[in-house]
Amino acid sequence: AQRVTQPEKLLSVFKGAPVELKCNYSYSGSPELFWYVQYSRQRLQLLLRHISRESIKGFTADLNKGETSFHLKKPFAQEEDSAMYYCALTIQGAQKLVFGQGTRLTINP
Amino acid sequence: KAGVTQTPRYLIKTRGQQVTLSCSPISGHRSVSWYQQTPGQGLQFLFEYFSETQRNKGNFPGRFSGRQFSNSRSEMNVSTLELGDSALYLCASSPGGSSYGYTFGSGTRLTVV
Repeated sequence: AQRVTQPEKLLSVFKGAPVELKCNYSYSGSPELFWYVQYSRQRLQLLLRHISRESIKGFTADLNKGETSFHLKKPFAQEEDSAMYYCALTIQGAQKLVFGQGTRLTINP
Repeated sequence: KAGVTQTPRYLIKTRGQQVTLSCSPISGHRSVSWYQQTPGQGLQFLFEYFSETQRNKGNFPGRFSGRQFSNSRSEMNVSTLELGDSALYLCASSPGGSSYGYTFGSGTRLTVV
């Protein structure tokens, strides 16, 4: 069965510092990985997906199949980045997302 | 462009009752999924529908069911409610399925007393 692990429940960094949210997955095939974000009092929304290899709001994530990881990175954190971040996995044809438990990121001024 | 709309926003039900939750996807999205969110279990997949057909179902008891209509609107039903069914139920829509990424609704918060 597929599994997504986000080892940090809470992560706190200072504004301007680099931030990295960890995500590891277990699946032997070729998964599709996503990051979803939920800002305070807002809906869960798609931040980025590995297949599009884009940068959204300064965040990037690279799929490392050797380490089965999909860590989310941003070089300079901003206060508005404070939110709950979920890593999610799907496999082609499964039509479901498997979510990690989430990491609450707090950016301190 | 209207987002994913879920109704009602809040529900309080008694154990043993049944409940129906509604979801209107983004116009043109044919895939609708449902997720249960709880503090202990996180986000868990319930089921996914595409063009009125259930394509996948999560590991939930048969008390949880759903359906999709020809206009892509979806409903989920929970019968014989238990206290443990208290959760935020999220609906998400997509043009074609999970690979496209989902747009989520605000959710329906169900409290079973």
